[in-house]
Amino acid sequence: AQSVTQLDSHVSVSEGTPVLLRCNYSSSYSPSLFWYVQHPNKGLQLLLKYTSAATLVKGINGFEAEFKKSETSFHLTKPSAHMSDAAEYFCVVSDWGGGQGGKLIFGQGTELSVKP
Amino acid sequence: EAQVTQNPRYLITVTGKKLTVTCSQNMNHEYMSWYRQDPGLGLRQIYYSMNVEVTDKGDVPEGYKVSRKEKRNFPLILESPSPNQTSLYFCASSLLLGGQGNYEQYFGPGTRLTVT
Repeated sequence: AQSVTQLDSHVSVSEGTPVLLRCNYSSSYSPSLFWYVQHPNKGLQLLLKYTSAATLVKGINGFEAEFKKSETSFHLTKPSAHMSDAAEYFCVVSDWGGGQGGKLIFGQGTELSVKP
Repeated sequence: EAQVTQNPRYLITVTGKKLTVTCSQNMNHEYMSWYRQDPGLGLRQIYYSMNVEVTDKGDVPEGYKVSRKEKRNFPLILESPSPNQTSLYFCASSLLLGGQGNYEQYFGPGTRLTVT
């Protein structure tokens, strides 16, 4: 069965410093992994996705994530935080290739705060 | 403009009074899904649909029904709402090619439901 664990419920950084949001997953097959962002009182927007191509995935707004199968991790990073990055971030796993077609599992979310 | 629309955006109702939340997409997507978002729990999948007349349970289907009679519409039905269904609900859609759904999900703006 699939599962996702976001290791921090809240992360606080200063503007201009690096961002690291941690995500570990469990999957019986080759998963697809996504990061979504939700700004306050808004819907969700895709940041980036991994679907068995390059293990280092680049997304929008300077974010990137690295798929590490040996560590079952898909951590999200950004070299330099901006005030506009303050939002909630969700790691998502799906197992389309494993007979679980259609089921998507969301992590509990990590709230990112950016201090001036 | 490509979008997913939900109606209503806000709804306050009483226990036991049947309600329907509509969801419509104009992108000709095969895959549609409903989620509920609760603090500290992230998003949890209620039901999903891989195509017209094809629906399946997600992780939290109890108390909900769905139908997919047309490709563009995927209404969520609460036959007898209870206070524990008070939540923020999101509808989403995505492409589904060759049975694989590793594509970006487009989310609606959300429906905030309060059941008293």
